[in-house]
Amino acid sequence: GAVVSQHPSWVICKSGTSVKIECRSLDFQATTMFWYRQFPKQSLMLMATSNEGSKATYEQGVEKDKFLINHASLTLSTLTVTSAHPEDSSFYICSARVVEEAKNIQYFGAGTRLSVL
Amino acid sequence: GENVEQHPSTLSVQEGDSAVIKCTYSDSASNYFPWYKQELGKRPQLIIDIRSNVGEKKDQRIAVTLNKTAKHFSLHITETQPEDSAVYFCAATYTGGGKLIFGQGTELSVKP
Repeated sequence: GAVVSQHPSWVICKSGTSVKIECRSLDFQATTMFWYRQFPKQSLMLMATSNEGSKATYEQGVEKDKFLINHASLTLSTLTVTSAHPEDSSFYICSARVVEEAKNIQYFGAGTRLSVL
Repeated sequence: GENVEQHPSTLSVQEGDSAVIKCTYSDSASNYFPWYKQELGKRPQLIIDIRSNVGEKKDQRIAVTLNKTAKHFSLHITETQPEDSAVYFCAATYTGGGKLIFGQGTELSVKP
């Protein structure tokens, strides 16, 4: 399958600072990437759909000014958590979409564990 | 909107037994149903998928069945092994939509 790289894998920051997470498709081009948030023992909650060259589409209840998404190239999408607070602590996972045999397959990054102190 | 219900939330089996996880979807336009396995702290990994024009698909010890009329699809794991222990997620989407709607997840525990 396709390889998606996500960095950093773990970050600790102070309350009020901003954190940038990168998601890269290593061996393919991805016009669409997705950002999820996952709480312990829960399912993946879609935050936003990242489209190359255009604005991201945010899910209901997700603050676009809080979670800035930039998809500047066909292989890179970034999520910036601005002015992070302890309630933003979570596991953030990205995925990249590949269309194979008319299937919308998503390959996931390894995730970023964010801890805000 | 689309909704995917997954059951059970936890499943414990003895090594060698079979495990079955069931999902129900609401949007009749859904035509692609992947299953992901996620080990603790790791990324979800695609283990098998099925398109709506197929009723069953098998890959070694795992199989997926789809009942379009009832909007049900299920994951079957035979001869379970301890390394099958993980959280399994079903999902549904449709061509052109792209968004995956995930079920709530099933924590499978295989006891040696």
